[in-house]
This record gives sequence, C-alpha cells and structure tokens, in this order.
Amino acid sequence: GAVVSQHPSRVICKSGTSVKIECRSLDFQATTMFWYRQFPKKSLMLMATSNEGSKATYEQGVEKDKFLINHASLTLSTLTVTSAHPEDSSFYICSARTRSGGYTFGSGTRLTVV
Amino acid sequence: GEDVEQSLFLSVREGDSSVINCTYTDSSSTYLYWYKQEPGAGLQLLTYIFSNMDMKQDQRLTVLLNKKDKHLSLRIADTQTGDSAIYFCAESTGDSWGKLQFGAGTQVVVTP
Repeated sequence: GAVVSQHPSRVICKSGTSVKIECRSLDFQATTMFWYRQFPKKSLMLMATSNEGSKATYEQGVEKDKFLINHASLTLSTLTVTSAHPEDSSFYICSARTRSGGYTFGSGTRLTVV
Repeated sequence: GEDVEQSLFLSVREGDSSVINCTYTDSSSTYLYWYKQEPGAGLQLLTYIFSNMDMKQDQRLTVLLNKKDKHLSLRIADTQTGDSAIYFCAESTGDSWGKLQFGAGTQVVVTP
C-alpha cells in the first residue's frame, strides 16, 4: 500500500518550453505532497509543499512562477516547469505523507533541457 | 551548512557489515529515517526510528540513535551487492507541514 506514481520518468524538452510532471497517490488520499529537486551527488532539496485545495508553500529561493504546483485533487499533484532552461535540468521527486505518518516517494523524473 | 550530515562514501566487502553514520542538529526531531536510492530511481524507505527509542532492528538492518549526541547510524549485516546504493538519513520535526530534512547521502559500494 501507499504507492506514489510519478510520470514521466524521463523527459527531454527544448529551452523555453514548459514541462508538466505528475505525481499520483494510487491507493490512498494524499492531502499533502512534497516536491524535491536533486542535483547530481547532492541531497534532496525541498522545493515546495503542496496542499490539496490550497496554494503551495514554496521554500526560500524557489521561484513560484517558474515551478507551478497544482494539487487539485486528493490523489494528484502536478509540477510544471515553465519556460525551462538548461539549468533546470535535474532529477525531480515527489513524495506524499501517508495515513500512518510516513512518507512515500515517487520514482522521480529526470528532466533534461536542451 | 546542512542540518543533517553524512559521510559521502563507504566501501565494504560482500558479507561484511556496513555502518553508515549520520548527525543531525535539530533536537526537536521526532522521527529519523533511512532511505535507499538506487541509480535513477526514487527513494525507498528502509526503516525509521522514533526519537524516544535508542535502537530498532529489522532483519539485516539495525538503527542506533544517540539522542544526546544527535547521532544516528544504520548497520547492514551481511552486506550484499544489491545493497550498493546511496543511503539518505532524514529527520522530521513533526511540525504541521511534516517536512523532511535530508542529509547529502552516503554512497555505499559493495565489492565481491
């Protein structure tokens, strides 16, 4: 139980275009989801906390207009990287808090902006 | 600097025990976690420990917590090649957002 599905696993896009990443909780309702970014050989950096039905809370230094988060339902949160640039290339991971209070993670999305 | 610190690399022979260490700074941490990440994959929860415990054992995994020194360790007994991965420790302060603070990860390489 408590599975989070993240899609796509890999995406390559052209500079200036937007990319949407989806994170779905498959067998539970996730009122809170988290979006992380991971740089090579670095830890996970929390970007924002997504709450169903309300605006996301962004961490300091994360541009909310660039990284749009939508959590319109209890099972789906999306991260849209707008006007992507090569420096946005990274590994993005979502996670959701489960009923038991633990955290389950998606399998991640490798974004490459060319 | 980071609030959660780990050594970056550990090499261990197959069959030996691995010990991965982690230190944290937030004394209000409620839960401490160990996650495993294989190349190109998401994070897999290995185990966690509540801050009022000092030890937890789960099959080949043993977690030790020294709350006074804010030191957490993960011991993997009889390390196998499939244990090669990056291991992250993380702390949760149990606030209303439930955010996790991660260490930088320890890359474990298991050699035959």
